[in-house]
Amino acid sequence: SQQGEEDPQALSIQEGENATMNCSYKTSINNLQWYRQNSGRGLVHLILIRSNEREKHSGRLRVTLDTSKKSSSLLITASRAADTASYFCARGGFKTIFGAGTRLFVKA
Amino acid sequence: EAGVAQSPRYKIIEKRQSVAFWCNPISGHATLYWYQQILGQGPKLLIQFQNNGVVDDSQLPKDRFSAERLKGVDSTLKIQPAKLEDSAVYLCASSLQSAIETQYFGPGTRLLVL
Repeated sequence: SQQGEEDPQALSIQEGENATMNCSYKTSINNLQWYRQNSGRGLVHLILIRSNEREKHSGRLRVTLDTSKKSSSLLITASRAADTASYFCARGGFKTIFGAGTRLFVKA
Repeated sequence: EAGVAQSPRYKIIEKRQSVAFWCNPISGHATLYWYQQILGQGPKLLIQFQNNGVVDDSQLPKDRFSAERLKGVDSTLKIQPAKLEDSAVYLCASSLQSAIETQYFGPGTRLLVL
């Protein structure tokens, strides 16, 4: 069964707004990874945050990790229409387990 | 650097037929993964290879699915016989050493079983 669960399942925002997606997991992790998937395409890696890290940035992306709450969040600032995609968190360890994803729609 | 290659990109078959998918990982990547992604869901790991050995195949329906990675490079995933519920996108990914690293995904093969 999937052990990474994203929240919300879907999110619709206006261009320029920030988008926040959350991920919860059940067991201990080595790292947590975030991926983006555009419609009909393969997944693209965004950020990997290790279990001993609390925050990472990459451009307009900010990921936080709270291992005590077994949760992570992905923040996309100043969203663009091109950010429209599905976003998945994946628990990294002996094997990688993906959640069901958050579908983000950014309206121009 | 060339990415992960997969073929075919699309396949339509009838139930009970067989089908095979091919994957060529990024050069030098020891670990190769096959995922099944049903519409509206996240990818589900089917099998993970480390070089040409199987690390995990706990979610592979072994009565109908098989996979091999000869010489630790290319891999094939086969379904025989196919069922309607096998309709999905089959994604191949690779990583340099293990599952604690970034995975690089191919474009996927979209399978429709009629």
